[in-house]
Amino acid sequence: AQTVTQSQPEMSVQEAETVTLSCTYDTSENNYYLFWYKQPPSRQMILVIRQEAYKQQNATENRFSVNFQKAAKSFSLKISDSQLGDTAMYFCAFMTRVTSGTYKYIFGTGTRLKVLA
Amino acid sequence: KAGVTQTPRYLIKTRGQQVTLSCSPISGHRSVSWYQQTPGQGLQFLFEYFSETQRNKGNFPGRFSGRQFSNSRSEMNVSTLELGDSALYLCASSPVGGDTQYFGPGTRLTVL
Repeated sequence: AQTVTQSQPEMSVQEAETVTLSCTYDTSENNYYLFWYKQPPSRQMILVIRQEAYKQQNATENRFSVNFQKAAKSFSLKISDSQLGDTAMYFCAFMTRVTSGTYKYIFGTGTRLKVLA
Repeated sequence: KAGVTQTPRYLIKTRGQQVTLSCSPISGHRSVSWYQQTPGQGLQFLFEYFSETQRNKGNFPGRFSGRQFSNSRSEMNVSTLELGDSALYLCASSPVGGDTQYFGPGTRLTVL
């Protein structure tokens, strides 16, 4: 069975600093997708970044980037120049195709990030 | 495009009652998934609907059910509520052939 593990329940970072959130997963699949979602205190879950497993290049979205290590089954999120608005719960998610047209998502338990002024 | 909407945003019920939650997906999205989010368990998958058919189901008791209408709007029903059903219920929609889910704001259900 696939699993997603986020080993850091809580983290804090000073404004303008860089922080890395870790995520590991377990699967025997070769084709899958990985995501980081952000859930601010207002609760709306927002997609931060998406990585396709067959792509070796790490995904980047502005201040957000990932370090995807397929062999190690690791998918960490780096936030550069942290801002107060980055304070949120961050979820790592694994997605694979179950049947034609159907996907299965598995989420980690989340990392609560607090950016300090 | 408008995002995923969920109603109501907050709900308080007592044990034994039943509740219906509603989700309207992003226009054009035909897949709707439901999740239960609790502090200790994270996001747990309930079920997924596509074109009015349930395609996928998580490990929840039969008290949890859902349906999808022809306009892709979806409802989730929980019968005989238990205290442990208190949670944030999230709905997410995906486009046809898409692999990314887009979430609604959630419905906070409190069972007393």
